[in-house]
Amino acid sequence: AQSVTQLDSQVPVFEEAPVELRCNYSSSVSVYLFWYVQYPNQGLQLLLKYLSGSTLVKGINGFEAEFNKSQTSFHLRKPSVHISDTAEYFCAVSSPAGNKLTFGGGTRVLVKP
Amino acid sequence: NAGVTQTPKFRVLKTGQSMTLLCAQDMNHEYMYWYRQDPGMGLRLIHYSVGEGTTAKGEVPDGYNVSRLKKQNFLLGLESAAPSQTSVYFCASSEAWAGQPQHFGDGTRLSIL
Repeated sequence: AQSVTQLDSQVPVFEEAPVELRCNYSSSVSVYLFWYVQYPNQGLQLLLKYLSGSTLVKGINGFEAEFNKSQTSFHLRKPSVHISDTAEYFCAVSSPAGNKLTFGGGTRVLVKP
Repeated sequence: NAGVTQTPKFRVLKTGQSMTLLCAQDMNHEYMYWYRQDPGMGLRLIHYSVGEGTTAKGEVPDGYNVSRLKKQNFLLGLESAAPSQTSVYFCASSEAWAGQPQHFGDGTRLSIL
């Protein structure tokens, strides 16, 4: 069975400051990893994904994430946030041969001016 | 470019009533999914479908039924609504299971009184 833990339920951050959202997963097999963003009253949108290859993955809107197999982590970072980055962020995992996408509990990011 | 469309957007039901949520996608995707989103729990998979005429149970299927009579539509039914089914429901679709991103609708907010 797979599981995903997002260590912070809420992250307040000032505009133009960096932000890091932590994600740890557990799985007995190899994994695919995803970060999705949900803006208020909308569905989820894909930010980035890791399938294989380079462990540093770049996504949309200036976000990037690093896959660390030894620490079973996939933390999301942005060097300078904007007010428009206020949203909820979800980490998710699946296996190449799996039959479902497992989501973490989400991290709410509130960007303050 | 509609993507994934969910109807209705909001609904209030009384305990014991039934209703059907409709999901339609115009991307010719094979796979479709129904999730529920509850605070702090991320998204949990209710049922999914890997093609027209097929359905399968996800993580939390009890109290729900689904049908995929046409490739573009995926219906979620509540036969006898319970207050525990108060949630936001999301439909998603994708080209394949593991490595492909899922495309989400904007959700249906359902309250059971």
